[in-house]
Amino acid sequence: NAGVTQTPKFQVLKTGQSMTLQCAQDMNHNSMYWYRQDPGMGLRLIYYSASEGTTDKGEVPNGYNVSRLNKREFSLRLESAAPSQTSVYFCASTRSGPTYGYTFGSGTRLTVV
Amino acid sequence: AQKVTQAQTEISVVEKEDVTLDCVYETRDTTYYLFWYKQPPSGELVFLIRRNSFDEQNEISGRYSWNFQKSTSSFNFTITASQVVDSAVYFCALKRGGSEKLVFGKGMKLTVNP
Repeated sequence: NAGVTQTPKFQVLKTGQSMTLQCAQDMNHNSMYWYRQDPGMGLRLIYYSASEGTTDKGEVPNGYNVSRLNKREFSLRLESAAPSQTSVYFCASTRSGPTYGYTFGSGTRLTVV
Repeated sequence: AQKVTQAQTEISVVEKEDVTLDCVYETRDTTYYLFWYKQPPSGELVFLIRRNSFDEQNEISGRYSWNFQKSTSSFNFTITASQVVDSAVYFCALKRGGSEKLVFGKGMKLTVNP
């Protein structure tokens, strides 16, 4: 019963490097999300996908791209990492409908130097 | 626009004290959903409770209780007889009816000292 799996758990990048954060869920959820968590800022939505084949911008999408590869997988790509993207990134999924809460992955701690 | 305010950023108590975490929300929607999540030092986010806008009944679960008051747009969380294991960051969140997006407050760090 894996739930939401994120890889990697930790990553250090140099400014300008690119990388992709992977997320997969095994709960047959339709909706998936990427949040970033910064001290004193709470969790802010980067991108979300309400269903396979659709993606939408959240509150802080600049500098990121996403791909909803299939129903299970939703990846987040940093094309040219910047120190401002140092953060903890959480992937989440949920069943369709507003009454459901999210199931979160364990997070990826990313440092950009 | 939706907004969730957790005015307290950090609270420190001694074990067995009661503590209340405040949450005030803003929305123009008549149908919405409120949530509390816990983030222990290990970092994962754990769902605690969901409450619908049309259900103002308070809820108690063991040492945890939640007080939802639409008149003051508040959804406060009380821990009775706190324990060290309650030390965590607690987030209040809001989802409007018909939306898939969850809007979080900035979180409140609770430290329970032995």
